Amino acid sequence: GAVVSQHPSRVICKSGTSVKIECRSLDFQATTMFWYRQFPKQSLMLMATSNEGSKATYEQGVEKDKFLINHASLTLSTLTVTSAHPEDSSFYICSASQTGNYGYTFGSGTRLTVV
Amino acid sequence: AQKITQTQPGMFVQEKEAVTLDCTYDTSDQSYGLFWYKQPSSGEMIFLIYQGSYDEQNATEGRYSLNFQKARKSANLVISASQLGDSAMYFCAMREGRDSGYALNFGKGTSLLVTP
Repeated sequence: GAVVSQHPSRVICKSGTSVKIECRSLDFQATTMFWYRQFPKQSLMLMATSNEGSKATYEQGVEKDKFLINHASLTLSTLTVTSAHPEDSSFYICSASQTGNYGYTFGSGTRLTVV
Repeated sequence: AQKITQTQPGMFVQEKEAVTLDCTYDTSDQSYGLFWYKQPSSGEMIFLIYQGSYDEQNATEGRYSLNFQKARKSANLVISASQLGDSAMYFCAMREGRDSGYALNFGKGTSLLVTP
């Protein structure tokens, strides 16, 4: 079945530094990638939607200059958290889809802790 | 406005019993899809079952079945013969539109605990 590899699974970084999270679709072409954030004991909240080769569309309240999304190829999308602060500590998870398909393939998630 | 409502923050069920997790949704689209996911403590999202808005029969996948009542806009998940490994968070989600170019909207989730 379709697999999305997400790395790193866990990262601890210092306040003010940047962190890059990668999602790779291993056996299919991800035309669309969705990035979600999940705080403890809460639901998944959509941060942004990106289509390959296009600029990402951000949800209201999500700072596009802070959460940089790149979807330069059909198999790779990245989320960079710039100038991270402790309040950015969260679980980030990507979800990939293909045009014409009804399903979604999720990465395994990245637990970010900013100290 | 909340598009997916899960009214049960937590549920208990005894092993081998059946349990129903509630989900209601709100949409004006004619074409949409409803999904259920399981999220164990590791955080991964495990797809359980899918129901399309035009599907006339309720979806089933092994021990999982979806009780789809379109007029009432409900899509409850039924887990039969619960197992200890079923303990996890369960999320109902909806995709508005024909295909997965559209993002999923998630409910707040139900925490299920299966007891021996």
